[in-house]
Amino acid sequence: TQLLEQSPQFLSIQEGENLTVYCNSSSVFSSLQWYRQEPGEGPVLLVTVVTGGEVKKLKRLTFQFGDARKDSSLHITAAQPGDTGLYLCAGARGKLIFGQGTELSVKP
Amino acid sequence: GAVVSQHPSWVICKSGTSVKIECRSLDFQATTMFWYRQFPKQSLMLMATSNEGSKATYEQGVEKDKFLINHASLTLSTLTVTSAHPEDSSFYICSARRGTGSYEQYFGPGTRLTVT
Repeated sequence: TQLLEQSPQFLSIQEGENLTVYCNSSSVFSSLQWYRQEPGEGPVLLVTVVTGGEVKKLKRLTFQFGDARKDSSLHITAAQPGDTGLYLCAGARGKLIFGQGTELSVKP
Repeated sequence: GAVVSQHPSWVICKSGTSVKIECRSLDFQATTMFWYRQFPKQSLMLMATSNEGSKATYEQGVEKDKFLINHASLTLSTLTVTSAHPEDSSFYICSARRGTGSYEQYFGPGTRLTVT
């Protein structure tokens, strides 16, 4: 059983479209991180959310932590080909619990 | 700050030999480092947690005698894949946690291991 369910696992969209990636769990996390990984490289930390209901923005990326700290979402506005990559959410419960990842492809 | 390096970035070895991978935190001290394994298009699978000066904690199903971890200093952890077999071929990634009060992990660039 996956502790942190991430969806969708694959997403292929056209440049300019909006998208949302979800991470859901029945467990409470003390914090949640979002990472982006490109092929052949390690994940790069995008953001950490700590407080229930917290919203953080990073240019065209908006991250939200659920009120109960069990779920999170990543919304990308006007996606660009440079956004292509594997997006990973990870919840902190003593150690990091990773979601399955979302493989995003943005076509020009 | 928070840069983590790994060496080598890729390695090819013959079946039965051992391979050592180094993970270094370059600009901070890391009391805890983590070793992950990743298959193509999949998420990270935690193999073990490495604490400086003590034995590593391995996840269920990970053979501690096959994947030897040493965390000899606050900036260096090593993973040795002993008697490697083709099924050990994978992308191995380390991460380091800065401080004890934070869950943020900073990842190395990964090491691609191919066992022939």
